[in-house]
Amino acid sequence: AAGVIQSPRHLIKEKRETATLKCYPIPRHDTVYWYQQGPGQDPQFLISFYEKMQSDKGSIPDRFSAQQFSDYHSELNMSSLELGDSALYFCASSLVGTSGATTDTQYFGPGTRLTVL
Amino acid sequence: SQQGEEDPQALSIQEGENATMNCSYKTSINNLQWYRQNSGRGLVHLILIRSNEREKHSGRLRVTLDTSKKSSSLLITASRAADTASYFCATGFILTGGGNKLTFGTGTQLKVEL
Repeated sequence: AAGVIQSPRHLIKEKRETATLKCYPIPRHDTVYWYQQGPGQDPQFLISFYEKMQSDKGSIPDRFSAQQFSDYHSELNMSSLELGDSALYFCASSLVGTSGATTDTQYFGPGTRLTVL
Repeated sequence: SQQGEEDPQALSIQEGENATMNCSYKTSINNLQWYRQNSGRGLVHLILIRSNEREKHSGRLRVTLDTSKKSSSLLITASRAADTASYFCATGFILTGGGNKLTFGTGTQLKVEL
């Protein structure tokens, strides 16, 4: 079965550079979530989108922005990168859909490992 | 902010034994999900239990939920070396804007030795 696809899998950037992470949800899934997991930490919710609209926002720095496109893929844009942004970034998807089709289960992608030097 | 606290933080058992991990949370939830993560890898969904359910089974996994105590437990029976991983509970809250926001616990590192 198709899973969540994230690209790139690894990314190395210098301080103050920008980075763009991409997420392709499971086909037919309409909701995308972004999480950040620092070394030895639990995943922290950043932001979510349902039907291309932001549905919730967590502890996401103002330097980060994200959007969901018409084909439901999502991109997380990170600017003025700091050393502390080094982490695993996960995207997850789920299906909200119409009544009866909703699944609350979130399926996670393999993550993008961002290293800021 | 952290919603879930898990205990133990680390658990080491012998293959064939059962492993029990506990999760406590602070606020009301719509559902609770358990995930497994191998070192530095992705999060694999194990099981979801809704707030109106008390127990669910999936293969060697048994999850319980006690909403009055705001706690959940994950039991892995007849553990195998391949079960070695970190296990996270995540409380789910249905968003009015669409979706199900997860707040993760601190995780339990399980090591199953041969």
